Amino acid sequence: SQTIHQWPATLVQPVGSPLSLECTVEGTSNPNLYWYRQAAGRGLQLLFYSIGIGQISSEVPQNLSASRPQDRQFILSSKKLLLSDSGFYLCACQLREGAEAFFGQGTRLTVV
Amino acid sequence: AQSVSQHNHHVILSEAASLELGCNYSYGGTVNLFWYVQYPGQHLQLLLKYFSGDPLVKGIKGFEAEFIKSKFSFNLRKPSVQWSDTAEYFCASPYGQNFVFGPGTRLSVLP
Repeated sequence: SQTIHQWPATLVQPVGSPLSLECTVEGTSNPNLYWYRQAAGRGLQLLFYSIGIGQISSEVPQNLSASRPQDRQFILSSKKLLLSDSGFYLCACQLREGAEAFFGQGTRLTVV
Repeated sequence: AQSVSQHNHHVILSEAASLELGCNYSYGGTVNLFWYVQYPGQHLQLLLKYFSGDPLVKGIKGFEAEFIKSKFSFNLRKPSVQWSDTAEYFCASPYGQNFVFGPGTRLSVLP
């Protein structure tokens, strides 16, 4: 079965600093991959999804970007963090279209 | 397109009370539906899933959900909640390459 590794678990970064969050998937190939952000007390906001290497779709305009350099690697980045980028970031994978999504443990980002 | 709504923002129950959390979706075609749970400080875990067939779906930890196509609903139920069920619950449905979540319902179970 698939396993999703996400790191780091927590991160405190100053405003204006860069960001790189990494997500890797084991136990499957060619998954759909997702980055979600969950703000405190709010639902999940889909940030990016990817159906294959180098194929990234963005749901909302933002300060963040995503890349998929390998089939099972999904990276969330920013060149300059904003206070509003604080939140809980979740990586998810879906084995085939229409199937359930599986989530990583998440990264709690605090921008100070 | 698909949208998912959840009626209740915050539900407070006493232990042993029965639970029903509402979920409605908008897409009129074939749908797959899921309920996820997020315990405090943890990631999302799949509670149950519906693809087709029997509209009454049983999941883990005594939860079940009923798919009612005519009402565009997929409500989550549990006959008797426990303090350990305190969590946030999300209804979700995939749509194309997207995976749409409802806003979530926070459940607080009082001991």
